[in-house]
Amino acid sequence: NAGVTQTPKFRVLKTGQSMTLLCAQDMNHEYMYWYRQDPGMGLRLIHYSVGEGTTAKGEVPDGYNVSRLKKQNFLLGLESAAPSQTSVYFCASSAPLGFLGDEQFFGPGTRLTVL
Amino acid sequence: ELKVEQNPLFLSMQEGKNYTIYCNYSTTSDRLYWYRQDPGKSLESLFVLLSNGAVKQEGRLMASLDTKARLSTLHITAAVHDLSATYFCAVGSQGNLIFGKGTKLSVKP
Repeated sequence: NAGVTQTPKFRVLKTGQSMTLLCAQDMNHEYMYWYRQDPGMGLRLIHYSVGEGTTAKGEVPDGYNVSRLKKQNFLLGLESAAPSQTSVYFCASSAPLGFLGDEQFFGPGTRLTVL
Repeated sequence: ELKVEQNPLFLSMQEGKNYTIYCNYSTTSDRLYWYRQDPGKSLESLFVLLSNGAVKQEGRLMASLDTKARLSTLHITAAVHDLSATYFCAVGSQGNLIFGKGTKLSVKP
């Protein structure tokens, strides 16, 4: 049981390049999330998904796109990377809100630098 | 719009002493989570608080929730170096969690 995994762990891009970050979870969770973490800013939600084939915008969606073609995977795309997107990206997953709550489980993170 | 505020944002602690971190939120919610993050690492779940008056304890950490005051506290008893980390509270809102900015704890001998 690997939990939530993210690929890659590190990446350096040049301005204007594109890339896709992959998140996978093996907990059969319906909900998945992408956050970015910047110093002094806490975690900010980029996009999220409440089920296969559905996505929604979070607090800071501009410059990112997402897809959830399979329940276990959630992809985050940067079409044209900018230095402002230098950050650490975390993926998380959760079950729908139930009597145990909707605790989110986090992946190890992807450290992205855009030059 | 739900806002979550933690204080203090930085806390330098002496070993053996007790401290409290506060998490205030602006609108009604009945679920609150505490996470720990070590430098360069991911977030690890510490506590799940789902009702008014909920209290959870794990080792030297104890978390409580007062939904009427919109306040959660994380109490540290007899701090030790291993507790040095950043602690986040997160409040449930409309299917998502809103995170505080985190409290960076540093325990000095």
